[in-house]
Amino acid sequence: EAEVAQSPRYKITEKSQAVAFWCDPISGHATLYWYRQILGQGPELLVQFQDESVVDDSQLPKDRFSAERLKGVDSTLKIQPAELGDSAMYLCASSSRSNTGELFFGEGSRLTVL
Amino acid sequence: QKEVEQDPGPLSVPEGAIVSLNCTYSNSAFQYFMWYRQYSRKGPELLMYTYSSGNKEDGRFTAQVDKSSKYISLFIRDSQPSDSATYLCAMSEPGGSYIPTFGRGTSLIVHP
Repeated sequence: EAEVAQSPRYKITEKSQAVAFWCDPISGHATLYWYRQILGQGPELLVQFQDESVVDDSQLPKDRFSAERLKGVDSTLKIQPAELGDSAMYLCASSSRSNTGELFFGEGSRLTVL
Repeated sequence: QKEVEQDPGPLSVPEGAIVSLNCTYSNSAFQYFMWYRQYSRKGPELLMYTYSSGNKEDGRFTAQVDKSSKYISLFIRDSQPSDSATYLCAMSEPGGSYIPTFGRGTSLIVHP
């Protein structure tokens, strides 16, 4: 069964360090999303890509977060410098071009900032 | 007020019970309604998907949408311990990018 792959599953870092997360969507899915989920909360969108273009990054804290999807396939989300409040689950999801809201999520990357 | 409201629970029920999970929303433009199930330390997985109003049934799960009341429900019949998870409702508007807005999730515990 096709899956969204994410790595690393867990990351512990100290504040002010740089962190990067990687996502490989389901093959053929044109749309890719990065969500942040704080414990006990629902996922909140950080950035949406359609192929290699950013569709929505209005909620991405651009002073420290960056995201890219250079060839329209896999994607990287970077945080630099990490802050204590960034501790959360970072979820990647993908959907087909004809998507009407059905997302397929990866297992997530759990970040702890000390 | 958030666009999507969902009671976080936890909701604890005995095995075999009928479970009712609910969400309310304020955006009348929402047309697509989804329920995701999230096990601890895992990503959400799509459980049910409905368009506009009405009911949809899939095995032990029934999703119900009442657009006039801006209220959606997920019913689980004959609940099992394996149903213990967090259930997230999500909804999106037609047109544009269809980005779903999520509720905070309801934690369900089904005890044997």
